[in-house]
Amino acid sequence: AQSVTQLGSHVSVSEGALVLLRCNYSSSVPPYLFWYVQYPNQGLQLLLKYTSAATLVKGINGFEAEFKKSETSFHLTKPSAHMSDAAEYFCAVPLTNNQGGKLIFGQGTELSVKP
Amino acid sequence: SQTIHQWPATLVQPVGSPLSLECTVEGTSNPNLYWYRQAAGRGLQLLFYSVGIGQISSEVPQNLSASRPQDRQFILSSKKLLLSDSGFYLCAWSGVAGLTPAGELFFGEGSRLTVL
Repeated sequence: AQSVTQLGSHVSVSEGALVLLRCNYSSSVPPYLFWYVQYPNQGLQLLLKYTSAATLVKGINGFEAEFKKSETSFHLTKPSAHMSDAAEYFCAVPLTNNQGGKLIFGQGTELSVKP
Repeated sequence: SQTIHQWPATLVQPVGSPLSLECTVEGTSNPNLYWYRQAAGRGLQLLFYSVGIGQISSEVPQNLSASRPQDRQFILSSKKLLLSDSGFYLCAWSGVAGLTPAGELFFGEGSRLTVL
């Protein structure tokens, strides 16, 4: 079964600085990879998803992620952090390659943005 | 367009009391439905998964149960709550496997349960 690991449970950046949130998947190449964002006391919202069509994926709010097979990674980046980006971010992968919709989530990374 | 609603948004219950959280989906048919729990510092844990009316798969042994009495209704229940049941419960839906949107989950607003 697939799994994902998010390195760093808390990341703090200054407003305007680069955001880098790390996600590594288990060794077998997944058909999809997702990044979700969760604002306080809300449900999860899809930021972006990888579907094998392109290795660099652009999402909402200026975020993007690059799929790197050689590194088994799908790190999330944003060139310039905004205060409104403060939230928790989850990387996710389908449980197995033939079970659409059943996702396994990383432990989450809480992003803080300092003024 | 599709929407998903959960209620209640917040619930404070004593240990040993029953629980019922409800989730409904609108604008789609025959969705896959899910209950996840989010405990502090522990990420999201898949509790139950349903592919159709009356069809429930339990992912972890626990004090909770789920039911799907209608196509777009998913209920999370407990007969006697434990302190460890506290958490943020999220309902989600997805399309049938193999159809768009590919593998994507759509989440409700969440229900925060505090057991005292």
